[in-house]
Amino acid sequence: EIVLTQSPATLSLSPGERATLSCRASQSVSSYLAWYQQKPGQAPRLLIYDASNRATGIPARFSGSGSGTDFTLSISSLEPEDFAVYYCQQRSNWPPFTFGQGTKLEIK
Amino acid sequence: QVQVVQSGAEVKKPGASLNVSCKASGYTFTGYYMHWVRQAPGQGLEWMGWINPNSGGTNYAQKFQGRVTMTRDTSISTAYMELSRLRSDDTAVYYCARDSLRGYINWGQGTLVTVSS
Repeated sequence: EIVLTQSPATLSLSPGERATLSCRASQSVSSYLAWYQQKPGQAPRLLIYDASNRATGIPARFSGSGSGTDFTLSISSLEPEDFAVYYCQQRSNWPPFTFGQGTKLEIK
Repeated sequence: QVQVVQSGAEVKKPGASLNVSCKASGYTFTGYYMHWVRQAPGQGLEWMGWINPNSGGTNYAQKFQGRVTMTRDTSISTAYMELSRLRSDDTAVYYCARDSLRGYINWGQGTLVTVSS
């Protein structure tokens, strides 16, 4: 089973700042990695698929990069609505389709 | 527009079975796999399995093998997830999610299941 490790667990930033979230896989997942955003009381929302492609309707301030075992989700300039929990998910070697443990992005 | 609507919250006793429904609309139900994901209180996301609504084929996480059954009724565009022999640590929000083969593009609203004696 592929293990995804996200870091940091919590990231404290201010609106307007740049956020960089990391997801590391225990073995290569090629580019088969997705990122999701989840706000309290809501279902997750797909942000990025295949490591670097924005899903429909996702603002351009969100970008993804990486391949193999190291991946990054970047948010160029934080908006108030971006403060949430972010999860990565590998879609390369399944079952299972594993998720990372999440990074909480909080307002500083 | 695409909608995925789940059944309502449930309270179950240990040892009982759970059945959650997931009704899809606004797209061709048989054209997309449906996955099930759960989230325990304050915890992360856990993948449970998928069903191919076209063929009825399934694939389950090993953790749930023998306890989970995923089915569908194509006549009403609805997927079902049954989890048996419930334990207290099955308390969670259960989600169904439409899979685009690249990620989950639509999610149900979640079904809160509480397992308590």
